Amino acid sequence: AQTVTQSQPEMSVQEAETVTLSCTYDTSENNYYLFWYKQPPSRQMILVIRQEAYKQQNATENRFSVNFQKAAKSFSLKISDSQLGDTAMYFCAFMNRAGNQFYFGTGTSLTVIP
Amino acid sequence: DTGVSQNPRHKITKRGQNVTFRCDPISEHNRLYWYRQTLGQGPEFLTYFQNEAQLEKSRLLSDRFSAERPKGSFSTLEIQRTEQGDSAMYLCASSFGREGAVLFFGSGTQLSVL
Repeated sequence: AQTVTQSQPEMSVQEAETVTLSCTYDTSENNYYLFWYKQPPSRQMILVIRQEAYKQQNATENRFSVNFQKAAKSFSLKISDSQLGDTAMYFCAFMNRAGNQFYFGTGTSLTVIP
Repeated sequence: DTGVSQNPRHKITKRGQNVTFRCDPISEHNRLYWYRQTLGQGPEFLTYFQNEAQLEKSRLLSDRFSAERPKGSFSTLEIQRTEQGDSAMYLCASSFGREGAVLFFGSGTQLSVL
């Protein structure tokens, strides 16, 4: 079974600074997909970024980028130029190739301080 | 609004009663997922449908829980003989049926069992 671990329950960052959220996962598969989702207080789950395991290049979406280390099974999220609207729960997630297994980590609560 | 729709948004029930939630996925999405989320925790996978077929069920889905997706369109999640431990947010998500497809989430149904 796949597991996803987020070891930082809570983090804070000053507005305009950079923060990195950690995620590790366990799988025996070679091809799979990794995601970061954001859940603000409204509790609407929103996609932040997606990574394909067979691509070595790290995914980037504007201020959000990942550091994907396949051998270490590590998938961290870097948020640059943090904004107040980035305050939310952030969940790392794993999906297998077939799509029938999509698992979340326990989340990191990020607070951006003005 | 062409997003994932969940009804009702909130449900309050007494212990022992049955409840049913509905999820309308994005049209043309043939994959549908149900999750349960308690406050401060990550979503826990419950079940997965591809079209009308229920292909994956978590051990969390006890015999009091049943999910259906007739005709491969909307889905229902029923909880029989509710218990206070069933109090949670129930999230539905849908995606295209291709490898690595992103999951789009509904706003959830918040269940409170008194």
